[in-house]
Amino acid sequence: DAGVTQSPTHLIKTRGQHVTLRCSPISGHKSVSWYQQVLGQGPQFIFQYYEKEERGRGNFPDRFSARQFPNYSSELNVNALLLGDSALYLCASSLGITEAYEQYFGPGTRLTVT
Amino acid sequence: LAKTTQPISMDSYEGQEVNITCSHNNIATNDYITWYQQFPSQGPRFIIQGYKTKVTNEVASLFIPADRKSSTLSLPRVSLSDTAVYYCLVGDEGDNNDMRFGAGTRLTVKP
Repeated sequence: DAGVTQSPTHLIKTRGQHVTLRCSPISGHKSVSWYQQVLGQGPQFIFQYYEKEERGRGNFPDRFSARQFPNYSSELNVNALLLGDSALYLCASSLGITEAYEQYFGPGTRLTVT
Repeated sequence: LAKTTQPISMDSYEGQEVNITCSHNNIATNDYITWYQQFPSQGPRFIIQGYKTKVTNEVASLFIPADRKSSTLSLPRVSLSDTAVYYCLVGDEGDNNDMRFGAGTRLTVKP
């Protein structure tokens, strides 16, 4: 079975632009979460979606938004990019919504903002 | 969610047993303890999860004392490929799955 996939692998954008990152969960997983990982730090929670509804939001500005599609894939959108948005963006999927369900992470999308 | 404290880094040698301790003094009654491993430029990978006493799987053991204010991840006979960052997370089964990662422990295994 395929694991969590993310696209693109790498991305370079300039300040002020917007970006869309994509995630496909493991087949059968209905929950998708997004994390931002800045170099040298642990992943920081951005969003969780379950059954196409937002179920959790981390401490990120409104420039960050996401959605989940009927096939449970997800997009993370970031508007008005700042240099500080440069990071590895991780997507994780799980069968359910609570902590009891193991999360499976994708390889991430490396975003560089110049 | 309870806050966790781990050592920033640890060194070990191949073949040794490594124990990484995590403090979580404010752990709540319903909180589980979960450990993840992360290699450079990869997403974290689930290692083990427990609630109390001892849990063992094919890669690690997790020891949790009776007061549950700390936990110890034990990696038997580490190899060079175990060099990674290890994260301890504590959260409530009733929460959504918004895992709060700290800085983790950077384990370096030397030959």
